[in-house]
Amino acid sequence: EIVLTQSPATLSASPGEKVTLSCRASEAISDTYLAWYQQKPGQAPRLLIYGASTRATGTPPRFSGRGSGTEFTLTISSLQAEDFAVYYCQQYYNWHSFGQGTKVETK
Amino acid sequence: QVTLKESGPALVKPTQTLTLTCTFSGFSFNTSGVRVNWIRQPPGKALEWLGRIDWDGDKHYTTSLQTRLTISRDTSKSQVVLTMTDMDPMDTATYYCARNLITDGSFDYWGQGTLVTVSS
Repeated sequence: EIVLTQSPATLSASPGEKVTLSCRASEAISDTYLAWYQQKPGQAPRLLIYGASTRATGTPPRFSGRGSGTEFTLTISSLQAEDFAVYYCQQYYNWHSFGQGTKVETK
Repeated sequence: QVTLKESGPALVKPTQTLTLTCTFSGFSFNTSGVRVNWIRQPPGKALEWLGRIDWDGDKHYTTSLQTRLTISRDTSKSQVVLTMTDMDPMDTATYYCARNLITDGSFDYWGQGTLVTVSS
């Protein structure tokens, strides 16, 4: 099983800031098999990024993903009020597993 | 417009069998490459993939729960059913169904989720 470790667990930031979330895999995965999701309280996760760097339909361009091997990142270039949420990475190289999430909260 | 919706009991007793139904629209199993998955999330915790059923009827389950899980479908009703036996309080979670396509393993559409509490 591929274990995904996300850091930090909680990130405190202000609107307008640039933030970067990290996702580290326990073994190398193809960069085409990594996704990022946003989840707000009481809602289902929403797909943001797939294939490590491709924005899903409706994902604003301020969200960008990159990485390869075991290290992946999600960057929000300028935090908006609606971006405060929990973010999960997911690998689908070897079945499916998710990271434990990073909560982006207001500073 | 693709939609999925989970339905089933909100409360089950320990050792009972849970049955959840995912009813979807906007796509069908007649389309090659369609997959419907079950994913759960204990309160305040991370997501866990449980299993899936494919357009061709193929099924796959997470190793840790495969002895307790059964996924089936009713193509005519556009429904996928999850059965989980021997429920335990640790199985308390929001259960989601979600779609993915064979072209990519990410889950592009999700149901709203249904909270299942296991308690006597």
